[in-house]
Amino acid sequence: SQTIHQWPATLVQPVGSPLSLECTVEGTSNPNLYWYRQAAGRGLQLLFYSVGIGQISSEVPQNLSASRPQDRQFILSSKKLLLSDSGFYLCAWSVQSYEQFFGPGTRLTVL
Amino acid sequence: KNQVEQSPQSLIILEGKNCTLQCNYTVSPFSNLRWYKQDTGRGPVSLTIMTFSENTKSNGRYTATLDADTKQSSLHITASQLSDSASYICVVGQNEKLTFGTGTRLTIIP
Repeated sequence: SQTIHQWPATLVQPVGSPLSLECTVEGTSNPNLYWYRQAAGRGLQLLFYSVGIGQISSEVPQNLSASRPQDRQFILSSKKLLLSDSGFYLCAWSVQSYEQFFGPGTRLTVL
Repeated sequence: KNQVEQSPQSLIILEGKNCTLQCNYTVSPFSNLRWYKQDTGRGPVSLTIMTFSENTKSNGRYTATLDADTKQSSLHITASQLSDSASYICVVGQNEKLTFGTGTRLTIIP
């Protein structure tokens, strides 16, 4: 069966520090991968999606970047965090456009 | 502008009671509509997915309905349990692109 992992589960970082969040998927090949951010009281916002290794599409301009160094690994990064980067970050995967499966999420607090 | 609006924002009901959550959308073109359950601090978990040709889909005590003409969907929960306390998110799909509602926060009290 397929599983999706995210780490860390929670993270507290000072403003201006770098960020690296990791997402890995098991049990499937060549998945589409997604990074979402969920702010309090708001719907999920798609940040990045990837249809293959090294292929990244950005949905909104922002302080973040994404990379896909391996087929089942998706990384969300920032060189310098802003207060507004605080939120709940979710990784998701799909193999067809029909359904996306979400990871457990990372709670990021920027102080 | 593609939007998904859910009502109510929050709902509190007694354990064992039924409830219905509403979703209205303006997304076009429309591919599918999904309902997710999200426990606090967790990722969303899919409950139902319906295409435009389906008007009802059940998953245990959860029943979703879809009226593609009026662009409305509802999620009915029967005989609620304490574990149903969560946020319920309506998501409308346009192939790969998803538009998320802000969710209904449901609290079941004993």
